[in-house]
Amino acid sequence: TQLLEQSPQFLSIQEGENLTVYCNSSSVFSSLQWYRQEPGEGPVLLVTVVTGGEVKKLKRLTFQFGDARKDSSLHITAAQPGDTGLYLCAGGVLDQGGSEKLVFGKGMKLTVNP
Amino acid sequence: DSGVTQTPKHLITATGQRVTLRCSPRSGDLSVYWYQQSLDQGLQFLIQYYNGEERAKGNILERFSAQQFPDLHSELNLSSLELGDSALYFCASSLQIPADTQYFGPGTRLTVL
Repeated sequence: TQLLEQSPQFLSIQEGENLTVYCNSSSVFSSLQWYRQEPGEGPVLLVTVVTGGEVKKLKRLTFQFGDARKDSSLHITAAQPGDTGLYLCAGGVLDQGGSEKLVFGKGMKLTVNP
Repeated sequence: DSGVTQTPKHLITATGQRVTLRCSPRSGDLSVYWYQQSLDQGLQFLIQYYNGEERAKGNILERFSAQQFPDLHSELNLSSLELGDSALYFCASSLQIPADTQYFGPGTRLTVL
């Protein structure tokens, strides 16, 4: 059974601070996705990384996939109140039929105070 | 707005009852996924359909079943409900498989009393 552990689980910071969220597993994944979920809504995909060591930047967000494709990190620079939400990582697991199941971590609840 | 619609938004029922959750995927998407999100377990994959056929199964209980209809909408049936089934149920859709992007609906909040 593939498991993804996210840390920290909760983070409350002031506007302008930087933060890093970690997503770790002992399993290898075909892809690693990061989602952001706001209360009352479904998760929204932020990024997908597929290559070990890959780094993707999306404005103030930097995503990295570990070399062994077992872990990932999300770094937010100069956090803003609008970044508040639940950040979920999800690992892709391919089955023999070609479908990719997503295994989700439990998420990191971020609160950015003005 | 992801383009995925789910009804109802909220559902309150009693233990032992049966409910049906409905999902309409984004226009053109052939694949539908169902997930359960609870505080203790997080977001868990239940089942996937592609063009009417079951493609993958996750942690779906035998009391739960799903289907995808010819018009590509999907229904998740939950029976003999227990208190522990209270959760958010999300549907997601994608154009292709493996999915490059899964688009999630707003969810159905089920409360079992």
